[in-house]
Amino acid sequence: RKEVEQDPGPFNVPEGATVAFNCTYSNSASQSFFWYRQDCRKEPKLLMSVYSSGNEDGRFTAQLNRASQYISLLIRDSKLSDSATYLCVVNSGTASKLTFGTGTRLQVTL
Amino acid sequence: GAGVSQSPSNKVTEKGKDVELRCDPISGHTALYWYRQSLGQGLEFLIYFQGNSAPDKSGLPSDRFSAERTGGSVSTLTIQRTQQEDSAVYLCASSLRANSPLHFGNGTRLTVT
Repeated sequence: RKEVEQDPGPFNVPEGATVAFNCTYSNSASQSFFWYRQDCRKEPKLLMSVYSSGNEDGRFTAQLNRASQYISLLIRDSKLSDSATYLCVVNSGTASKLTFGTGTRLQVTL
Repeated sequence: GAGVSQSPSNKVTEKGKDVELRCDPISGHTALYWYRQSLGQGLEFLIYFQGNSAPDKSGLPSDRFSAERTGGSVSTLTIQRTQQEDSAVYLCASSLRANSPLHFGNGTRLTVT
């Protein structure tokens, strides 16, 4: 099983839609979780950290489910500018290696 | 500048040559990571530094790859006897401390001909 797994997509959604992505991780001792956004041929940029109790930043909501070992990202009221690849990042237990998923591609259309 | 700086931004080299990639992290960031990304692929972890030491270098693909960090700041990734499969974007990231959010540089696009 891969350390971090994501559905590659693409997810094609109309503007204004709500879309959600999941990311599963294999190491039950992982403590740090993040969502990054990567635009084509650009470096990844931090979207948000994921906290145990779940957290929200505007239209974006991140949640952690430790029992099932996955994190999720919900995007409400999708904008064209949300089109990008969304990467989940998990640390490898007590180690400080941060492992990236291969990303989920989102395409928001008119 | 306030961000992570990488140089060169692009490097074309002939197979068999050595290359050196540089990363200048955000001032005060103790953790530094190197990743590489091939076209259309995910980020592959190479090595992690905490200060000047590398507690995790498990991702280095072969002994042709080495990295160092001096003064708790600048890091250099060296690839010896480059091969075509080394062609990728090499991304450096720094963070305030281990497991904190990463801030990436723009990357070095390496092409081995």
